[in-house]
Amino acid sequence: EPEVTQTPSHQVTQMGQEVILRCVPISNHLYFYWYRQILGQKVEFLVSFYNNEISEKSEIFDDQFSVERPDGSNFTLKIRSTKLEDSAMYFCASTSQGQNTIYFGEGSWLTVV
Amino acid sequence: AQRVTQPEKLLSVFKGAPVELKCNYSYSGSPELFWYVQYSRQRLQLLLRHISRESIKGFTADLNKGETSFHLKKPFAQEEDSAMYYCALSGVGSQGNLIFGKGTKLSVKP
Repeated sequence: EPEVTQTPSHQVTQMGQEVILRCVPISNHLYFYWYRQILGQKVEFLVSFYNNEISEKSEIFDDQFSVERPDGSNFTLKIRSTKLEDSAMYFCASTSQGQNTIYFGEGSWLTVV
Repeated sequence: AQRVTQPEKLLSVFKGAPVELKCNYSYSGSPELFWYVQYSRQRLQLLLRHISRESIKGFTADLNKGETSFHLKKPFAQEEDSAMYYCALSGVGSQGNLIFGKGTKLSVKP
């Protein structure tokens, strides 16, 4: 069964550094998402992406964050100038048009020190 | 405000006992409701959604619009049901912007 894959599974970075989290959505999917989950808290929506542009974003997704689909397969989340509070599990997800079944990746655990 | 509330952080039952994981929501309009499950060291995966009205792994959930609830039930819990369960909602037309509850950890003891 096709899966959403994410890399890296775990990254430790110093405060102030830039981080890029990578995702390969399921191949025929058209909608892509990033969510995050701070330890002990709920899963929170960050951004949705369709047709090469952001279709929706939350208040969390400020200028520090950006997303990109640099080629036909990857979907990246860039976090500039990381802060301690950016430490979280970041989930990528995708879905095909017309469905509401969202498929999640295993997550990338980001630790900012 | 749009919100999903799962009042129980942890629910512990014995194998064979009935299970009910509570979920209440707040949404102006007609949302779509989902239950996601996360087994240990695995990814979040869809368990069921109210539109399909199906039973998955013996679990069912009925949307009660009057009580704004979408409780997850199973008549006889199994040890392999132990996992984190997340209730989530999506607004009509807002595909993918899921609002999650905080999750309930279900522990089924032998």
